[in-house]
Amino acid sequence: AQSVTQLDSQVPVFEEAPVELRCNYSSSVSVYLFWYVQYPNQGLQLLLKYLSGSTLVKGINGFEAEFNKSQTSFHLRKPSVHISDTAEYFCAVRPLSGGYNKLIFGAGTRLAVHP
Amino acid sequence: DAGITQSPRHKVTETGTPVTLRCHQTENHRYMYWYRQDPGHGLRLIHYSYGVKDTDKGEVSDGYSVSRSKTEDFLLTLESATSSQTSVYFCAIGERSVTGELFFGEGSRLTVL
Repeated sequence: AQSVTQLDSQVPVFEEAPVELRCNYSSSVSVYLFWYVQYPNQGLQLLLKYLSGSTLVKGINGFEAEFNKSQTSFHLRKPSVHISDTAEYFCAVRPLSGGYNKLIFGAGTRLAVHP
Repeated sequence: DAGITQSPRHKVTETGTPVTLRCHQTENHRYMYWYRQDPGHGLRLIHYSYGVKDTDKGEVSDGYSVSRSKTEDFLLTLESATSSQTSVYFCAIGERSVTGELFFGEGSRLTVL
């Protein structure tokens, strides 16, 4: 079985500052990794995903994440945040051999960007 | 935006009453999923469907049933709602089970008094 731990439930940051949202996972098999974003009163949308290849993955809106297999981490970063990045961010994993019915989400990190 | 419509978007009901939430898609995707979102738990899978009349249980299926009589509609039913089922429910669709992307609806907020 897989599990996902998002290490911070809330992250406050000032506009134009860098941000890192931390995600660790546990799994006995190889996994795919995802970050989703949920803007207020909306559904989730895919920010980026790691399937294979380069461990540095670039996503939409200037976000990127780095897969670290030895530390079982997939932290999300942005060098300079904007007010519009205020949202909840979810890390998710699923096994290579499973479908989306095996997708496991973390509890979420609420990013609050202040002017 | 993926064509996913959830209805109703908001509902308040009383304990013991039946509730049905509807997910309608215009994308002709094979796979459909129902999740619930609760603070501190992220999203958890309730039920999913891999085709018309083909459904299976997810992680938190107790107290819920689903039906899919047409490709475009996936219904989630609470036969007798309880306060523990107060939550935000999301429908998601995907063209493939393994690859591709999941697309989410905007959610249905259910309050059980």
